[in-house]
Amino acid sequence: AQSVAQPEDQVNVAEGNPLTVKCTYSVSGNPYLFWYVQYPNRGLQFLLKYITGDNLVKGSYGFEAEFNKSQTSFHLKKPSALVSDSALYFCAVRAGGSYIPTFGRGTSLIVHP
Amino acid sequence: EAGVAQSPRYKIIEKRQSVAFWCNPISGHATLYWYQQILGQGPKLLIQFQNNGVVDDSQLPKDRFSAERLKGVDSTLKIQPAKLEDSAVYLCASSLDTGNHPQYFGPGTRLLVL
Repeated sequence: AQSVAQPEDQVNVAEGNPLTVKCTYSVSGNPYLFWYVQYPNRGLQFLLKYITGDNLVKGSYGFEAEFNKSQTSFHLKKPSALVSDSALYFCAVRAGGSYIPTFGRGTSLIVHP
Repeated sequence: EAGVAQSPRYKIIEKRQSVAFWCNPISGHATLYWYQQILGQGPKLLIQFQNNGVVDDSQLPKDRFSAERLKGVDSTLKIQPAKLEDSAVYLCASSLDTGNHPQYFGPGTRLLVL
């Protein structure tokens, strides 16, 4: 069975500082990995995905994520955080041979002015 | 391009009552998903359609939940009878196809069962 772990319920960072939101996964076969963001009272929005190729993928709003196969991780990063980045972030995985997506429990990112 | 539409946005019912949610996916998207998101948790897949066929419904409580996607476009999710633990946000999402395509989510329906 596939699974996703987001080990931090909450991440606090000062505006202008780099941020990292962690995600590790477990699947059989090659993973398809996704990050979504959920702003208050709004639906989830797609940020970026890793399917194959370059381990560093770039997405919306200046976010990027690094796929690390040996550590089975897909951490979300941004060089300089904005207060407006404060939201709930979800990592999701789908095994290459599976149709079924599995989401992590989410990490609340709080960026302080 | 219009996004995924869901209605109603909010619903309050008493336990043992029935309720139905409606979803209209993005035009041309073959895959449609229904998720249940309980406060403090990630979305949990209830059912996934590919066109009008069911891809997976292994986590759908079939004794009380049902879903259909007639004509491969709109979809409805029904709960009958509702239980207190069904209180959650029900999210509908669609994607161009399965596999590596990202999902696009609707705003969700917040259900409160009293």
